[in-house]
Amino acid sequence: AQRVTQPEKLLSVFKGAPVELKCNYSYSGSPELFWYVQYSRQRLQLLLRHISRESIKGFTADLNKGETSFHLKKPFAQEEDSAMYYCALKGTSGSRLTFGEGTQLTVNP
Amino acid sequence: DAGITQSPRHKVTETGTPVTLRCHQTENHRYMYWYRQDPGHGLRLIHYSYGVKDTDKGEVSDGYSVSRSKTEDFLLTLESATSSQTSVYFCAISGLVSVTDTQYFGPGTRLTVL
Repeated sequence: AQRVTQPEKLLSVFKGAPVELKCNYSYSGSPELFWYVQYSRQRLQLLLRHISRESIKGFTADLNKGETSFHLKKPFAQEEDSAMYYCALKGTSGSRLTFGEGTQLTVNP
Repeated sequence: DAGITQSPRHKVTETGTPVTLRCHQTENHRYMYWYRQDPGHGLRLIHYSYGVKDTDKGEVSDGYSVSRSKTEDFLLTLESATSSQTSVYFCAISGLVSVTDTQYFGPGTRLTVL
């Protein structure tokens, strides 16, 4: 079975502060990990996927297979980063995604 | 927005009535999915389709059925709506090139069952 855990339901930081959204997973094979973002009442948008190893909107995430984690980081948070963030996992067979419960990030001025 | 639309965008209905939600894509993606989004649960897969007339259950399929008679449309039906099915429903698509493609999401349908 595959499972994704986001331990923080709510996260609040001040503008300019570093931010880290945690994501842990359990999967017996080699998964593919994603971060999706949902701005207020909008559709989910792909933010990052680990295989592309790129930085989007200043966010990065590194897959740590030893710790089974895929934490999302940004060195200097901006107010426009306030949103719901979902970590998701795709297994080695098929196309299905398993989502975590989400973390609501609020960046205060 | 990957050419995905959902209809209706908002619906209020009464317990026991049938409800059908529609997902329409213009991108010819092979895979289509229905999720529900609830506070504290994130997104949970209801049903998905891997081709025309090919569908399978997700993790929360009880009380829901789906149909896909053509590539561009994926219908989600609640045969007899219950208050526990009040939720925001998202459709997603993937697989334009391969099974490993990213999933793209529709704008969502907010359903309230009274």
